[in-house]
Amino acid sequence: EAGVTQFPSHSVIEKGQTVTLRCDPISGHDNLYWYRRVMGKEIKFLLHFVKESKQDESGMPNNRFLAERTGGTYSTLKVQPAELEDSGVYFCASSQTGLGQYFGPGTRLTVT
Amino acid sequence: AQKVTQAQTEISVVEKEDVTLDCVYETRDTTYYLFWYKQPPSGELVFLIRRNSFDEQNEISGRYSWNFQKSTSSFNFTITASQVVDSAVYFCALSIIYNNNDMRFGAGTRLTVKP
Repeated sequence: EAGVTQFPSHSVIEKGQTVTLRCDPISGHDNLYWYRRVMGKEIKFLLHFVKESKQDESGMPNNRFLAERTGGTYSTLKVQPAELEDSGVYFCASSQTGLGQYFGPGTRLTVT
Repeated sequence: AQKVTQAQTEISVVEKEDVTLDCVYETRDTTYYLFWYKQPPSGELVFLIRRNSFDEQNEISGRYSWNFQKSTSSFNFTITASQVVDSAVYFCALSIIYNNNDMRFGAGTRLTVKP
């Protein structure tokens, strides 16, 4: 069974540009989460989807971040416009309801 | 509010030494999960263990062991006879059982095992 996959693995963009990160959860997992680790600090929760609905987006830092999960399958996280402080590793995780979360390999975002 | 503290930022040991990674958590909830994840240089987060708050039994898995003590709100992780392949960043995390959505992670401990 394939695990959680994320694309790209690494993205380097300039300040002010737009970047879209993609996450493909494990098949059959209704729950999809986004996290990020910035500047070597702790991994922080961004938001949680149940199928295509946003269950909790309390961790989204500001309105430059937009997450979607059309059709309840894969999810995208768009940063527009990117700022220097957005640099970090963005993790996606998925789970079946009530069970543990499986994490993807992360996308390393570098904003210059 | 939930909080996880990993006070050790970096630890360096020589191969075959035992090493303990500390994790202290805070929560007002009585039912919760505690986790340890390993992040090797390749970057992915590898699940190591999940423990619920009702089970204080210590667990051993090969060279890995975990000591859960509710009295001190700690969930420490010990690697026995460390190996170079154990070099990684280790994260401790907490989530509330009824709402296993928002996992709170510690800042991570970078372990370097030298040959």
